[in-house]
Amino acid sequence: GNSVTQMEGPVTLSEEAFLTINCTYTATGYPSLFWYVQYPGEGLQLLLKATKADDKGSNKGFEATYRKETTSFHLEKGSVQVSDSAVYFCALSDLSSNTGKLIFGQGTTLQVKP
Amino acid sequence: KAGVTQTPRYLIKTRGQQVTLSCSPISGHRSVSWYQQTPGQGLQFLFEYFSETQRNKGNFPGRFSGRQFSNSRSEMNVSTLELGDSALYLCASSSGTNTYYGYTFGSGTRLTVV
Repeated sequence: GNSVTQMEGPVTLSEEAFLTINCTYTATGYPSLFWYVQYPGEGLQLLLKATKADDKGSNKGFEATYRKETTSFHLEKGSVQVSDSAVYFCALSDLSSNTGKLIFGQGTTLQVKP
Repeated sequence: KAGVTQTPRYLIKTRGQQVTLSCSPISGHRSVSWYQQTPGQGLQFLFEYFSETQRNKGNFPGRFSGRQFSNSRSEMNVSTLELGDSALYLCASSSGTNTYYGYTFGSGTRLTVV
């Protein structure tokens, strides 16, 4: 079945450091890929998305490229801030069911220290 | 435009009771999906409703049910609550016809079963 695997956290970085959170997926067909962020006590916010191979999603300095050949969608940011501290989820849309179902990775906690 | 509204934000129930959670999607969105988030299992898909019909269902027992009204608002119900049902319940709203636009999540309902 379809699945998403994220690097385990927590990831602890100093402010202005470079961030990479790895995400790989297994899927049939051509799913859309998403990164969501969850701040403490809140729901999920869509950070960025990509709907086909080689698409690059970007938002608020974060980027991720849909790599079909490596089935990956790694999240990157050149210079993190304390305010980026949150849990990040990689997800794919389950096209096999053709319905509104997202499959999530386990989440990666990012802590940025001043 | 208004986001996805979930009520209530917090609930404390006793084992064996039942509970109903509500979700109002973004205006014009016809799809509402429900997810359960726990520290151990992560984010798991419960079910999705589109135009008042359940379109997909996750692997949860029959104690978990839902419905959608003609105005697209959705409710989920959990009967005979168990301690393990303690979780953050999130709903997600989408147009339901194309995954390109992604899914918008509410802030969730935190259910505690004692």
